[in-house]
Amino acid sequence: DQQVKQNSPSLSVQEGRISILNCDYTNSMFDYFLWYKKYPAEGPTFLISISSIKDKNEDGRFTVFLNKSAKHLSLHIVPSQPGDSAVYFCAATGGGNKLTFGTGTQLKVEL
Amino acid sequence: EAGVVQSPRYKIIEKKQPVAFWCNPISGHNTLYWYLQNLGQGPELLIRYENEEAVDDSQLPKDRFSAERLKGVDSTLKIQPAELGDSAVYLCASSPSLGYIPYNEQFFGPGTRLTVL
Repeated sequence: DQQVKQNSPSLSVQEGRISILNCDYTNSMFDYFLWYKKYPAEGPTFLISISSIKDKNEDGRFTVFLNKSAKHLSLHIVPSQPGDSAVYFCAATGGGNKLTFGTGTQLKVEL
Repeated sequence: EAGVVQSPRYKIIEKKQPVAFWCNPISGHNTLYWYLQNLGQGPELLIRYENEEAVDDSQLPKDRFSAERLKGVDSTLKIQPAELGDSAVYLCASSPSLGYIPYNEQFFGPGTRLTVL
């Protein structure tokens, strides 16, 4: 049972444009959501998070939007840069620091 | 500040052989996690330690997998015997203790890529 779903395995965007990565979840007990970024041969690194009491959190070029009624969150990267090319994992927790990860989306930012 | 250290980075073994992975968390981080990442999937938690106590090992296949964190610092994950399906990346992560905040960032090591032939 996949509680966190990333339905797009890959996304290709031109440099300078917006990248939008999507994530859906099914567990209503999740109250904190995160995005992790992973380069090849490295471990995932934390990017941005959002609490369920908010619907938007912004950090520089990265913004995460949460729609609780739809159980959907998205990560916006504006403007996209070649260094953003990586695998992005959506993750969620309902407490206790136990993360449930999605399957990841491979973002490729082309020149 | 040094990050989470894992060794070895790569391991190739034949099925039915034992294998062990080592992790040294970030200094001062009381919580340590072992994750399994299969190809094309996200990390899945195997076990979580608070200091030397395993507080969540519900996803650890205890018939062949074992883990220890004897002094509450570094940790070892062992598989004996290994099976073909164990080929994956094994990630270690650490975080400060949870305290009263809803979530503490987890810092991941580079992982150990295991290939079972």
